[in-house]
Amino acid sequence: GENVEQHPSTLSVQEGDSAVIKCTYSDSASNYFPWYKQELGKGPQLIIDIRSNVGEKKDQRIAVTLNKTAKHFSLHITETQPEDSAVYFCAASNGGSQGNLIFGKGTKLSVKP
Amino acid sequence: EAQVTQNPRYLITVTGKKLTVTCSQNMNHEYMSWYRQDPGLGLRQIYYSMNVEVTDKGDVPEGYKVSRKEKRNFPLILESPSPNQTSLYFCASSRNGGGDTGELFFGEGSRLTVL
Repeated sequence: GENVEQHPSTLSVQEGDSAVIKCTYSDSASNYFPWYKQELGKGPQLIIDIRSNVGEKKDQRIAVTLNKTAKHFSLHITETQPEDSAVYFCAASNGGSQGNLIFGKGTKLSVKP
Repeated sequence: EAQVTQNPRYLITVTGKKLTVTCSQNMNHEYMSWYRQDPGLGLRQIYYSMNVEVTDKGDVPEGYKVSRKEKRNFPLILESPSPNQTSLYFCASSRNGGGDTGELFFGEGSRLTVL
């Protein structure tokens, strides 16, 4: 089955700097790669996703890149702000009848003012 | 307001005392799922349901049961809780299938402690 590795487990940056979180996956059939943000005391929320037919997607300060050949994808946050501090999870899925997401172990991002 | 509601949010119980964590969604979603979140292990799927009366095991189903008698509800049952089930539990739903459709909507979480 699918296995998703996520690095780093913790990341600390200064406000205004960029942050990058990387994930690798094992199942070459996976075709959907979302990123979830979990704020303290809350459930995860989808912030951006990408499908295998594109290599990059941007939404304001957030971007995701996908390299299907290398089986890795990354989350890029530019001009970080204190409210970006949270735990971020990557996930992968091959769709199909089950369509279940396999999550990475999470990255705790701290943005220092 | 579209939401996934879990109850209770916090619970301390003792080994062997059966408990149920309820989950309800008001978005008419077909797919529902339970996850547990443990430090250093991320989100692991316990059970999921593609539709009413259809449930299946996730990655860590041992010690848990679920049922899906109605579309909106997906309770998680711990028949005989043990301390290794101490965890933060999340219920989630999506339109049809957590992977293929896109967004999973999560509840606020239920923190369970088993003594």
